[in-house]
Amino acid sequence: QVQLVQSGAELQKPGASVKVSCKTSGYTFIEYYIHWVRQAPGQGLEWVGWINPRSGATHYPQRFQGRVTMTRDTSISTAYMKLSNLRSDDTAVFYCARGSSSGWYHWGQGTLVTVSP
Amino acid sequence: EIVLTQSPGTLSLSPGEGATLSCRASQSVSSNYLAWYQQKPGQAPRLLIYDASSRATGIPDRFSGSGSGTDFTLTISRLEPEDFAVYFCKQYASSLYTFGQGTKLEIK
Repeated sequence: QVQLVQSGAELQKPGASVKVSCKTSGYTFIEYYIHWVRQAPGQGLEWVGWINPRSGATHYPQRFQGRVTMTRDTSISTAYMKLSNLRSDDTAVFYCARGSSSGWYHWGQGTLVTVSP
Repeated sequence: EIVLTQSPGTLSLSPGEGATLSCRASQSVSSNYLAWYQQKPGQAPRLLIYDASSRATGIPDRFSGSGSGTDFTLTISRLEPEDFAVYFCKQYASSLYTFGQGTKLEIK
């Protein structure tokens, strides 16, 4: 079965960077985009961007450009999201999700990133 | 960027009643590329509806989606206790995906 398993919770200081992993299994990794979504405590969902695992191409909304970098390692079917220059308002749960033309059925369990001095 | 506005913010209903949730877009969502997700506390979102009206695999038929252009609706007939959650709409017509702010469906 399709699974997306994310790395564990992180505590980082303002100005630092965090890299979250999303290890996939149960399907051919390069055939589906991976999207990342952020959810601040008690708030809604915010799309952070996608990566095409086949080509490595990425697309980010302007609010994250310059601070987010998405990469992948096809040899281990894993996608990564790095967010730099962290601020306190980056404290959130980050999810990866497998994209498809019929919706995002499969999600990771979420990774809590806490930014605190 | 397409802004999605969901209403109401909170909906208080009793099990067995029907629910109507609205999602309005700031501009037309082409090809009706709109999805609905359900989220419960501590869980990842769960896909309910895609392409505005197609029910995702495994979703009960009491969930239905409708609408086109800028106005979309999620209807839940005969609410079950497990349906009380937060619901988000998402558009994927634009290269910049966006979500609505969510509607909380709570037990009255």
